[in-house]
Amino acid sequence: AQKITQTQPGMFVQEKEAVTLDCTYDTSDPSYGLFWYKQPSSGEMIFLIYQGSYDQQNATEGRYSLNFQKARKSANLVISASQLGDSAMYFCAMREGRVTGGGNKLTFGTGTQLKVEL
Amino acid sequence: DTEVTQTPKHLVMGMTNKKSLKCEQHMGHRAMYWYKQKAKKPPELMFVYSYEKLSINESVPSRFSPECPNSSLLNLHLHALQPEDSALYLCASSLLTSGGDTQYFGPGTRLTVL
Repeated sequence: AQKITQTQPGMFVQEKEAVTLDCTYDTSDPSYGLFWYKQPSSGEMIFLIYQGSYDQQNATEGRYSLNFQKARKSANLVISASQLGDSAMYFCAMREGRVTGGGNKLTFGTGTQLKVEL
Repeated sequence: DTEVTQTPKHLVMGMTNKKSLKCEQHMGHRAMYWYKQKAKKPPELMFVYSYEKLSINESVPSRFSPECPNSSLLNLHLHALQPEDSALYLCASSLLTSGGDTQYFGPGTRLTVL
């Protein structure tokens, strides 16, 4: 079974509108972390936002917010007021288990390609 | 400052060449990672170094040889690569604290094997 599922291969949004990118995850571990990254065509993976499994509130970072629904095992990324520079591939990722001293493996979803249009 | 640097940005090599990729961070992170990413695919973990010791090797072929000379530097030595090894190679680093284990990535090295 897929650990991280992103069901939207591609999305279009008009500039200045909000967009939601879907992410569902599968784990039986009560401790985990969820991450969203943005990857423009240049290739760099840019960290956007983090949500811990025990966090009570949804994470927010500027125009990015994470809609965390634990019972549904979903961690959707909401981008408000889209800008042309938001056009990129977006990856959802999960770290299963507690943070360990040996480094932490991230499992990535297949990504959603977002295109912001005028 | 969340900067991870990687050199070179682009590399073209033949199957008999030996080359190295370099990654550097000065954020005091004690874990460093190598990922391989093929076009339109998610990154795949190759190696993890924790406190300068190799802690995770995802069954990577021996033609890829990682090295961590100190806590700020991570190298990936390449030898006798195959054309299918052409990919974007990403380096990342992170703290190892609860809630602070976000991996920060470098810009990557685009490798082409002829």
